[in-house]
Amino acid sequence: SYELTQPPSVSVSPGQTARITCSGDALPKQYAYWYQQKPGQAPVLVIYKDSERPSGIPERFSGSSSGTTVTLTISGVQAEDEADYYCQSADSSGTDQVFGGGTKLTVL
Amino acid sequence: QVQLQESGPGLVKPSQTLSLTCTVSGGSISSGSYYWSWIRQPAGKGLEWIGRIYTSGSTNYNPSLKSRVTISVDTSKNQFSLKLSSVTAADTAVYYCARAYDVWGQGTTVTVSS
Repeated sequence: SYELTQPPSVSVSPGQTARITCSGDALPKQYAYWYQQKPGQAPVLVIYKDSERPSGIPERFSGSSSGTTVTLTISGVQAEDEADYYCQSADSSGTDQVFGGGTKLTVL
Repeated sequence: QVQLQESGPGLVKPSQTLSLTCTVSGGSISSGSYYWSWIRQPAGKGLEWIGRIYTSGSTNYNPSLKSRVTISVDTSKNQFSLKLSSVTAADTAVYYCARAYDVWGQGTTVTVSS
């Protein structure tokens, strides 16, 4: 079955830039979506279609794509950004959706 | 704006069928070309896609759950539903319903235990 691979954890100091990667063979063909999830809360979409930002999401959140890897970048990280982040995409046929394993962002 | 709310039993016995409903408010489930999904998350673990349904009735299911999952839609009630059969303790999780990628319910906890 298709898999998306994320690093389990990323740590940054406040004000620095955090980059969270997501790798998968079908990413050149399928869009990726990124979610932020804080403890006890439902996930919130922060990036869609690789690099689009929903209304209400701060400009410090951005997304990019290169080959089989997509990257969520958080510039000027704030304490409130500490959360789990998940990528989501589809297999090459576009039928089966899959989530990455999640990355815990720690703000030092 | 559109809001989603999951409902259903919080406790299900092993081997029985888990049944959940997602009620859509603030908009029609039939408007737009959206699909409607179910996702689950065991405690302390990551998100798992269960499946989705289009308002046409077309469905896609996670291959690992496909033999046990049925998702249906009732446009007259503005609801869509999940049935997961032959549950075990491994199906204990928070279950979320969602509209495509952008709108999620708050989640409901389902425990499988005798």
